[in-house]
Amino acid sequence: QVQLQESGPGLVQPSQTLSLTCSVSGVSITNGIYYWSWIRQYPERGLEWIGYVYYGGRAYLNPSLKSRLSMSMDTSKNQFSLRLSSVTAADTAVYYCARLVATTFPFYVDSWGQGTLVSVSS
Amino acid sequence: QSVLTQPPSASGFPGQRVTISCSGSTSNIGRNFVYWYQQLAGAAPKLLLHRNDERPSGVPDRFSGSKSGTSASLVISGLQSEDESLYFCASWDDILTGPMFGGGTKLTVL
Repeated sequence: QVQLQESGPGLVQPSQTLSLTCSVSGVSITNGIYYWSWIRQYPERGLEWIGYVYYGGRAYLNPSLKSRLSMSMDTSKNQFSLRLSSVTAADTAVYYCARLVATTFPFYVDSWGQGTLVSVSS
Repeated sequence: QSVLTQPPSASGFPGQRVTISCSGSTSNIGRNFVYWYQQLAGAAPKLLLHRNDERPSGVPDRFSGSKSGTSASLVISGLQSEDESLYFCASWDDILTGPMFGGGTKLTVL
């Protein structure tokens, strides 16, 4: 049974960089049938896919965020991370890490972390 | 932001049948499978249906799904109090090259 757990600061100042880490247990993030994703949920409930990364370090990022976004993996710790720069209040959301099943295309999310609220405010 | 359209709310009495709709476009639902998730208050979303109408192990057969063209539906039969939750749909979007989500429907069991 896979478990995903987000960690990181709950408050980020405007114009700063938001950094989150997802710790994965129950499966290795180097397992080639899974990709590792970030998704955020706005206060008004809407969900937005942020991007995903897979073993080998390649990342696919939401074009609307690509200029401010980077994602990486730390296989030694079985973790993957998100960095979003130049944040504004519009980036306030609950951030989820999630597992994408990539055995066949198109991929889909089958497991989610509990989510972590990140507020952008001074 | 969500581009799959769902009604913000739905309701029904115990034992009734409730349908939640999800509308998309040719770049997502029109070409790809639809997935449904249940998010209980304060909890992580849980996969409810995959590939339009397939239930993962442990999901009751009261939950069913269908897809036609660029729209999909989640049907909950024999509504129970524990079904009160937020439900949202998702589908891979070929333009985004990532999953697209609905805005979520809050189901209230009266």
